[in-house]
Amino acid sequence: DVKVTQSSRYLVKRTGEKVFLECVQDMDHENMFWYRQDPGLGLRLIYFSYDVKMKEKGDIPEGYSVSREKKERFSLILESASTNQTSMYLCASSPPGTDTQYFGPGTRLTVL
Amino acid sequence: GDSVTQMEGPVTLSEEAFLTINCTYTATGYPSLFWYVQYPGEGLQLLLKATKADDKGSNKGFEATYRKETTSFHLEKGSVQVSDSAVYFCALTPRGSARQLTFGSGTQLTVLP
Repeated sequence: DVKVTQSSRYLVKRTGEKVFLECVQDMDHENMFWYRQDPGLGLRLIYFSYDVKMKEKGDIPEGYSVSREKKERFSLILESASTNQTSMYLCASSPPGTDTQYFGPGTRLTVL
Repeated sequence: GDSVTQMEGPVTLSEEAFLTINCTYTATGYPSLFWYVQYPGEGLQLLLKATKADDKGSNKGFEATYRKETTSFHLEKGSVQVSDSAVYFCALTPRGSARQLTFGSGTQLTVLP
């Protein structure tokens, strides 16, 4: 089975802090994604990566950056957390040539 | 750009009732269509998918048919169970691409015993 893990289920940070959200997949997938989920808005794509050190902006990249130094790991970085970044963050991965994404359990981030 | 519109929830049903969750889409070409489910406290799981017109995706008693003429992919189940309580998301991606999923806003389903 594909397994996508995220470093924390719940996280509480203060405004202005630098926040790292980690995602690891164990199936050697090329593609990895970061989404945020908000009530009434569904999931919105922040960034994705289709190879090591490669990244592309999604629909809402402002205030975020990403890092992919190893194939299995994709990190989302909030350089200076703000209260409007309080949300559920979901990581996903997919192998090449398919259109199915596999999701991690999510990290619920609260910024105070 | 591509978009997905789902019926708004929440939806509350009694056990064994019939379920329909409407989903329509706007996209160029022939996208692949998906239903994902999110159980309480968990991430999203793929429920079913269809990749071309008139295809029917099915899984765990749920079905959805890709209707190109009405740009719809409605989710149905003949008899829901309490364990089906979850949030359901309709989504699409351009055919053969895993570069970006476009999601609907999600529909919360609660099934009462």
